Amino acid sequence: NAGVTQTPKFQVLKTGQSMTLQCAQDMNHEYMSWYRQDPGMGLRLIHYSVGAGITDQGEVPNGYNVSRSTTEDFPLRLLSAAPSQTSVYFCASSPTSFYNEQFFGPGTRLTVL
Amino acid sequence: DAKTTQPNSMESNEEEPVHLPCNHSTISGTDYIHWYRQLPSQGPEYVIHGLTSNVNNRMASLAIAEDRKSSTLILHRATLRDAAVYYCILRVTGANSKLTFGKGITLSVRP
Repeated sequence: NAGVTQTPKFQVLKTGQSMTLQCAQDMNHEYMSWYRQDPGMGLRLIHYSVGAGITDQGEVPNGYNVSRSTTEDFPLRLLSAAPSQTSVYFCASSPTSFYNEQFFGPGTRLTVL
Repeated sequence: DAKTTQPNSMESNEEEPVHLPCNHSTISGTDYIHWYRQLPSQGPEYVIHGLTSNVNNRMASLAIAEDRKSSTLILHRATLRDAAVYYCILRVTGANSKLTFGKGITLSVRP
């Protein structure tokens, strides 16, 4: 199993550009989520999904969209990037929303100029 | 949500035990205590969790106070690879339960 994979590893955007951060898992996990981590801070939940076709907002959803058309993939879209979205983004998955362990990807480092 | 309080940082020597404290005085009866760690430039990694009883696994031990208002993560023999940020998190187990990360405690290990 590859586990949780994220692409790209690094990305630089200009203000106003759009992009999609990719997240995929090959463990048939129902629950997937996106976090952002700013320097010196813990992770904050952006959006999560308890299964294909079901998504919900986390703590800091503004400026981000998600969809979950398959069990494997959970892309995060930035429609109009802003410098405040400069951060490291982590995707995580677990078999169910109440499973004790979540599995995290390696992260995408995004810089918005 | 109930919060946790951890020291900002701690140092230890290689091959010695490490005790990482966490206070959670407002913990409720349905809150589980979870620990994750984040190695440099990596995503967080699950370490251990517990409810009331002390727990052991291959990575660490979790000692929970009788009143559950505090807990301690124990690394029995620290290695250089254990240098990381350790997060103590309270999580209500149930549908849609989420992880709320604080700043964690930064563990440095001296050779």
